[in-house]
Amino acid sequence: ETGVTQSPTHLIKTRGQQVTLRCSSQSGHNTVSWYQQALGQGPQFIFQYYREEENGRGNFPPRFSGLQFPNYSSELNVNALELDDSALYLCASSLWPSSSGANVLTFGAGSRLTVL
Amino acid sequence: DQQVKQNSPSLSVQEGRISILNCDYTNSMFDYFLWYKKYPAEGPTFLISISSIKDKNEDGRFTVFLNKSAKHLSLHIVPSQPGDSAVYFCAASTNYGGATNKLIFGTGTLLAVQP
Repeated sequence: ETGVTQSPTHLIKTRGQQVTLRCSSQSGHNTVSWYQQALGQGPQFIFQYYREEENGRGNFPPRFSGLQFPNYSSELNVNALELDDSALYLCASSLWPSSSGANVLTFGAGSRLTVL
Repeated sequence: DQQVKQNSPSLSVQEGRISILNCDYTNSMFDYFLWYKKYPAEGPTFLISISSIKDKNEDGRFTVFLNKSAKHLSLHIVPSQPGDSAVYFCAASTNYGGATNKLIFGTGTLLAVQP
């Protein structure tokens, strides 16, 4: 089975620009989540998509938006980039409902965004 | 408000000895706790989980203990191997209803296993 793949791996943007990050979910998974990991911190939940709709959101402003496509791939869009948006952006997929009960996410390697 | 805390930023252990990584939480509504391991330039990889109704779960060299009264959990690795050197994240989840699968992570502990 293929894992979660993300692109691009690294990118540099300037303040005020817009960025789109892409993710392909693990085969058989039907939900996709995005997390932001700042330096020295743990991943923070941005939002989750299920059946192509956002069904959960963390404490992030509306300029963070996303899409989930029928093939369960996903995009994270960030508008009006700020310096503090510099971070590793992790995509994760999972199967809901889970047979084990635990919410086990499979993560990609992430996209490292630097905002100058 | 940090609901999941890992107070030790780093831990160094000799190969073959036990590694104990600790995690504290504040929200008594969490129903599952998970440990993830992260190598540089890779995404977090799931290690082991425990339900809030259990106090211990074991998988090979990895054992997680949960003390609900103290709101504390720990991950034991025995014996530790150099390949275990990584950042370990504690995470917690709660059933928000429906398909929302949000994990709340701690800040991580860097484990270094010395040969």
